[in-house]
Amino acid sequence: SQTIHQWPATLVQPVGSPLSLECTVEGTSNPNLYWYRQAAGRGLQLLFYSVGIGQISSEVPQNLSASRPQDRQFILSSKKLLLSDSGFYLCAWRGGTGSYNEQFFGPGTRLTVL
Amino acid sequence: KQEVTQIPAALSVPEGENLVLNCSFTDSAIYNLQWFRQDPGKGLTSLLLIQSSQREQTSGRLNASLDKSSGRSTLYIAASQPGDSATYLCAVSGGTSYGKLTFGQGTILTVHP
Repeated sequence: SQTIHQWPATLVQPVGSPLSLECTVEGTSNPNLYWYRQAAGRGLQLLFYSVGIGQISSEVPQNLSASRPQDRQFILSSKKLLLSDSGFYLCAWRGGTGSYNEQFFGPGTRLTVL
Repeated sequence: KQEVTQIPAALSVPEGENLVLNCSFTDSAIYNLQWFRQDPGKGLTSLLLIQSSQREQTSGRLNASLDKSSGRSTLYIAASQPGDSATYLCAVSGGTSYGKLTFGQGTILTVHP
């Protein structure tokens, strides 16, 4: 069966510090991978998606970047965090073939920028 | 641009009631619609996926319907239980084949004993 992991679970960082959040998927190959952010009062917003190694698409301009160094690894990064980067970050995966596949989410990372 | 709206924003019901959560979307060109459950501080749990060619899906006490032409979906929960208390999110995928989801704001459901 497939499993998706995210770490860390919680993170408190000062403004201006770097960020690295990691997501890995087990039990599947060639998944589509996604990073979403859930901010208070703003709902879930898609930040990045990837259909393959090294292939990253950004959905909104922001202070963040994403990378996919391996097939089942997705990393969210920032060089300098802003207060507005606080939120709940969710990684998700979907089977890479077909347009109708169900999307599954990880447990999330709670980021607080002070 | 796709927009997804969920009504009501919050719902409080006594245990045992049957209830309906509503979701509407502005662009009917979707690939599928997915209902999720989110418990406080947790990730999303997929409940039901309805493909654009389908009218409904059922899982246990849950039944989701889709009227693509009118841009509406409903999630029906039968015989609600306190354990059903959570935020329910509706999301649609469409426009491209990359599976990008557009979410509604969610319905906060409280089922009291």
